[in-house]
Parts: sequence; structure tokens; C-alpha cells
Amino acid sequence: SAVISQKPSRDICQRGTSLTIQCQVDSQVTMMFWYRQQPGQSLTLIATANQGSEATYESGFVIDKFPISRPNLTFSTLTVSNMSPEDSSIYLCSVEEDTDTQYFGPGTRLTVL
Amino acid sequence: AQSVSQHNHHVILSEAASLELGCNYSYGGTVNLFWYVQYPGQHLQLLLKYFSGDPLVKGIKGFEAEFIKSKFSFNLRKPSVQWSDTAEYFCAVNAPNYGQNFVFGPGTRLSVLP
Repeated sequence: SAVISQKPSRDICQRGTSLTIQCQVDSQVTMMFWYRQQPGQSLTLIATANQGSEATYESGFVIDKFPISRPNLTFSTLTVSNMSPEDSSIYLCSVEEDTDTQYFGPGTRLTVL
Repeated sequence: AQSVSQHNHHVILSEAASLELGCNYSYGGTVNLFWYVQYPGQHLQLLLKYFSGDPLVKGIKGFEAEFIKSKFSFNLRKPSVQWSDTAEYFCAVNAPNYGQNFVFGPGTRLSVLP
């Protein structure tokens, strides 16, 4: 499967600031996704990162809060904007391979003070 | 909306005990089913998946799962657990033909005592 890396691996941020998380894949993939895993909870899909067009957001997530870029088939970024303590989570990117199977990156652990 | 439930929040077993983790989903159409595992401090890894065919699927590390369509279930099993199986286990479902993206269950934490 593809090797997926994320930067940063963790960060501690102040309320009201923004953080951009990068996801890099070692091969070209069509589908990339961003998930959130809040403390003690399961994964929730934030959006599908579409190459060359706007991301497709799931219910409860909006572009102003979580802008996503996908400039090419190996890279995507997720920005968490105007952060509050409720945004403290692990943010994961995933890619789809083997048709309908997703593989996940290591995650970015975000703590907002 | 599609949902996935997992029967147990936390399971504690001794080494060599048998394991069965329950997973049920609500979607009535054709689905793809997955089990992912997250070992402490590591990222999410695919354990096994079912798309079609033999409802008993075998995955890595001796795990297997059985799809029972009539029960909307996809339970994970292992005949003899090891301490190294201590992890969080997530069941997931998608139905791409119907535009349904991945939906994850709440997870089951497995603790195996040496």
C-alpha cells in the first residue's frame, strides 16, 4: 500500500489561531480524505479532498472552518481555522487504494489551549 | 443515515483466550465491510475486509471475520489472543455504489493480560 506521511505529527496551539496539516503520499492516488478522531471517540469523515476542485464536505463540516487544498495527486492540506479547545483531536488523512479500501496516515495530534 | 455499532467498549482477556468482537451496521443495501486496528502509539491499519464471496474472511495476524447478511453483522474473531493484540479495533462500512462514504464504529478497546 501507499506510504502516507503527515506533518506536523503533533502541535499545541493557542485559541483563535489556525494550523495547516500536510499529507504526502508516495504515489499518485485519486481519492484522499480527511478525518477527525476526537479524544476517546471514533473517526469522523470531514471531507473528500478533490484534485483540481473544491473539497466535498460531510454534514457538520464547512469550508470556512476546515479549508482543504489538493494541488496534485500526491499532496493535500487541511487547515483548522480559528481554533478552539473543542478542535483538539487527531486529524488523519487517508487514501483509497485497491478500490474502495482506505489506508491511513499516522495522524496529527492537535491540542488547542 | 448509515450507522455502525460495536458491542463492547472495552474487552479484557488473558493470553490464549478466544476473542470475538461484535459489529453491526444499519445499511440495507450492498456494503463493503472492514476491520481496522490501532495499536498503542501507531496509526490505523487495515486488518481485513469483505466485499463479496466467501463470508468468512481471513486477515493478518490470525484474525478472521464472518459476514452474516441476515444479521447485518461482521464480527471479528481470533482463536487465541496474544499480549501484542492489545489495541483499539474499529469496524467500518461503506457503500460506494450508493454514495456512502466510510462510516466507522465507536471502537472496542482490547486489553490482553500477559
